[in-house]
Amino acid sequence: QKEVEQNSGPLSVPEGAIASLNCTYSDRGSQSFFWYRQYSGKSPELIMSIYSNGDKEDGRFTAQLNKASQYVSLLIRDSQPSDSATYLCAVKVDSSYKLIFGSGTRLLVRP
Amino acid sequence: GAVVSQHPSRVICKSGTSVKIECRSLDFQATTMFWYRQFPKQSLMLMATSNEGSKATYEQGVEKDKFLINHASLTLSTLTVTSAHPEDSSFYICSARAILAPSSYEQYFGPGTRLTVT
Repeated sequence: QKEVEQNSGPLSVPEGAIASLNCTYSDRGSQSFFWYRQYSGKSPELIMSIYSNGDKEDGRFTAQLNKASQYVSLLIRDSQPSDSATYLCAVKVDSSYKLIFGSGTRLLVRP
Repeated sequence: GAVVSQHPSRVICKSGTSVKIECRSLDFQATTMFWYRQFPKQSLMLMATSNEGSKATYEQGVEKDKFLINHASLTLSTLTVTSAHPEDSSFYICSARAILAPSSYEQYFGPGTRLTVT
């Protein structure tokens, strides 16, 4: 059973701080990883994809991938109250196009 | 770019009736669409993968005769919940993968359909 694990949170950070969200996955052969943001009552919105080891930056967001440790993270710099949401980590399955989603981490940014 | 729409956004139906949900990719062609279900405070559960012009592939435990999926064109997939029961009440979300996208593994989600069966 391939799994994607996330701490459910909530992770509470003050406005302006760096929020660090973590995700581990069980399938060592996984090659494609995604972070989605989901506001309460809404559908997921793609934030970033990452395929290679290392860091990938997009605005205030940085995704980090370490395939040897089977670990992917998302850093949000200068966190804003509008960043308060559930962040879902997703991993592509094998040669299919299916994604396995983690249960999500709820982030609360305190004004 | 990469906009996916769903209709209706919210539907209430009586037990025993059928409900059809449409998923459209508005500005790209989607060779593959996915249907998910999400219960409150739970993560997304993949129900089925839909490829244009072929039969959908259902995940284990999902009744294919109850959840009928049709992917008739590269921009439209439909999910029909047949003989709906209160336990089918959920948030149904579709996603689409774009043909020839640079990162073709990315899935773009529709806004979801909240189904309530009374």
